[in-house]
Amino acid sequence: DIQMTQSPSTLSASVGDRVTITCRASQTISSWLAWYQQKPGKAPKLLIYKASSLQSGVPSRFSGSGSGTEFTLTISSLQPDDFATYFCQQYNSYPYSFGQGTKLEIK
Amino acid sequence: EVQLVESGGGLVQPGRSLRLSCEASGFNFDEYAMQWVRQAPGKGLEWVSGISWNSDILGYADSVRGRFTISRDNVKNSLYLQMNSLRAEDMALYYCVRSSSWYYIDYWGQGTLVTVSS
Repeated sequence: DIQMTQSPSTLSASVGDRVTITCRASQTISSWLAWYQQKPGKAPKLLIYKASSLQSGVPSRFSGSGSGTEFTLTISSLQPDDFATYFCQQYNSYPYSFGQGTKLEIK
Repeated sequence: EVQLVESGGGLVQPGRSLRLSCEASGFNFDEYAMQWVRQAPGKGLEWVSGISWNSDILGYADSVRGRFTISRDNVKNSLYLQMNSLRAEDMALYYCVRSSSWYYIDYWGQGTLVTVSS
């Protein structure tokens, strides 16, 4: 089974900052990686699929990169609405798996 | 508009069974793979199970394999999760989710809460 490791678990940042979240897979997953954003009490929302493809309607300040086993989600200039928890997920093969999440907090 | 509405959650004693349902609308249900994802209170997301559009391919997390069974009825536009031998660690909000054509999750339901307690 493929394990996904996200870092950091918590990230404190300010509005306007550029932030990066990393996700590592225990074995290669090509580019079969998605990123989701979740706010308290809400279902997650798709941000990025196939490692770097931006979902329709998602602001362009979000970007994804990577392939193989190492991936990153970057927010170029944090906005107040971006403070949330972020998860990566591999969908290369069953069983699919999520990273443990990164909580983005206001500094 | 894609809609996924889960039902069937509730309070159940350890060792008992529960069947979750998900009614889908707003898209051609029989063209998409579907999945279940859960989230324990205050915890992260855990992938539970997936099923191909024609039920040929099934997948399970190690934590539920042998206890949970995923199924679907393409006539009724419904997805199911039969959960047997429930444990305290199965307590979570269970989301019904749609797999896009490329298998990432593109739509989520609002979830149904399963509480396992004596």
